[in-house]
Amino acid sequence: DGGITQSPKYLFRKEGQNVTLSCEQNLNHDAMYWYRQDPGQGLRLIYYSQIVNDFQKGDIAEGYSVSREKKESFPLTVTSAQKNPTAFYLCASTKGQQYNYGYTFGSGTRLTVV
Amino acid sequence: AQSVTQLGSHVSVSEGALVLLRCNYSSSVPPYLFWYVQYPNQGLQLLLKYTTGATLVKGINGFEAEFKKSETSFHLTKPSAHMSDAAEYFCAVSPLTGGYQKVTFGIGTKLQVIP
Repeated sequence: DGGITQSPKYLFRKEGQNVTLSCEQNLNHDAMYWYRQDPGQGLRLIYYSQIVNDFQKGDIAEGYSVSREKKESFPLTVTSAQKNPTAFYLCASTKGQQYNYGYTFGSGTRLTVV
Repeated sequence: AQSVTQLGSHVSVSEGALVLLRCNYSSSVPPYLFWYVQYPNQGLQLLLKYTTGATLVKGINGFEAEFKKSETSFHLTKPSAHMSDAAEYFCAVSPLTGGYQKVTFGIGTKLQVIP
């Protein structure tokens, strides 16, 4: 079955460390997204990519970086510049560049700073 | 600018009772509207969506929602709650225009179903 795979499910980061969250999809979707979820705040967009080798900042891009070298993959790096990275991170994709199809989400990665 | 307001961060219903989760939106252009469900430590799953056409939209798991333009609302309902409906529900809005459209999510409503 097609879907989005996020790994790892749980990730622990030490102060000053960069970590990378993986997101892979086999849906042949063009557009991919990273959201951050904090309790009581809903979902906030970090980065999105509508085509390979192109991506745009979302509302809270500071302290994060992404790449889109392949259509199937959209990894997110949480850098040491992100001062409050503890959160639940969700990767999503959509068919084409329109949103009327709704998102398909992965199962998330929970990042904790130790 | 667009926004979404979900009234009630926590809603409790008895098993078998009506489920009503409220969502109001603001948008300067006609919107796409969505409801998503999230189970603990999982991603979100699309329940239903309104794009154009019929204002009463039926989704998965017996849920439905009605788009009321005059009230700028898109409330989610289910006639009879099941224990398996306990989850967090998110309303989302996206403008009905071409090109990239930002999706704005509400803060979510946690539904508790009491046996």
